[in-house]
Amino acid sequence: DAKTTQPDSMESTEGETVHLPCSHATISGNEYIYWYRQVPLQGPEYVTHGLQQNTTNSMAFLAIASDRKSSTLILPHVSLRDAAVYHCILRGTGGNNKLTFGQGTVLSVIP
Amino acid sequence: GALVYQYPRRTICKSGTSMRMECQAVGFQATSVAWYRQSPQKTFELIALSTVNSAIKYEQNFTQEKFPISHPNLSFSSMTVLNAYLEDRGLYLCGAKTGDSDYTFGSGTRLLVI
Repeated sequence: DAKTTQPDSMESTEGETVHLPCSHATISGNEYIYWYRQVPLQGPEYVTHGLQQNTTNSMAFLAIASDRKSSTLILPHVSLRDAAVYHCILRGTGGNNKLTFGQGTVLSVIP
Repeated sequence: GALVYQYPRRTICKSGTSMRMECQAVGFQATSVAWYRQSPQKTFELIALSTVNSAIKYEQNFTQEKFPISHPNLSFSSMTVLNAYLEDRGLYLCGAKTGDSDYTFGSGTRLLVI
């Protein structure tokens, strides 16, 4: 069972900054928060991940709550290419390092 | 960069027959390979996780007898869907990684059963 909760869908306009929320109230101390996205006809693509500190890369900024029970993926200045299903996933370490996908959030971007 | 190729991209098989799909890692060593199935309703199911030098771990509702997996080296894995039926249709995804790195996924093999 997926241990994260995300809204089913969100809509944005090109150029806006999008905040994608994720709730993971039962996260364990050794679980990382991963974000993948998937566009039609493709496999999931890695976006970012974090453990406790906020992280940033060329694709997105990940804000993690201080109690780690929620996180927000922030996409600055979205374009049409950012339209995808965004999955927030918890991943353990060592032998329990599988990814358990939920339904994700369908992000639509309007020109 | 790290890439994963899956083939065939799509395939059709008759009900009761079997279908083999392949996964190739390029640019990195695939010490772990995870096979997923994404249903037409977009739900992901982990089938099994294969790690070099360890036994393949199948998830509940998936068995080696139905989905035999081979992971003979650090760049290749294959999975067969034996006796495929309508409920086996979907997008089969292969994700591979080195050690504790991030998973890189292929584009999947789409299976249609008629």
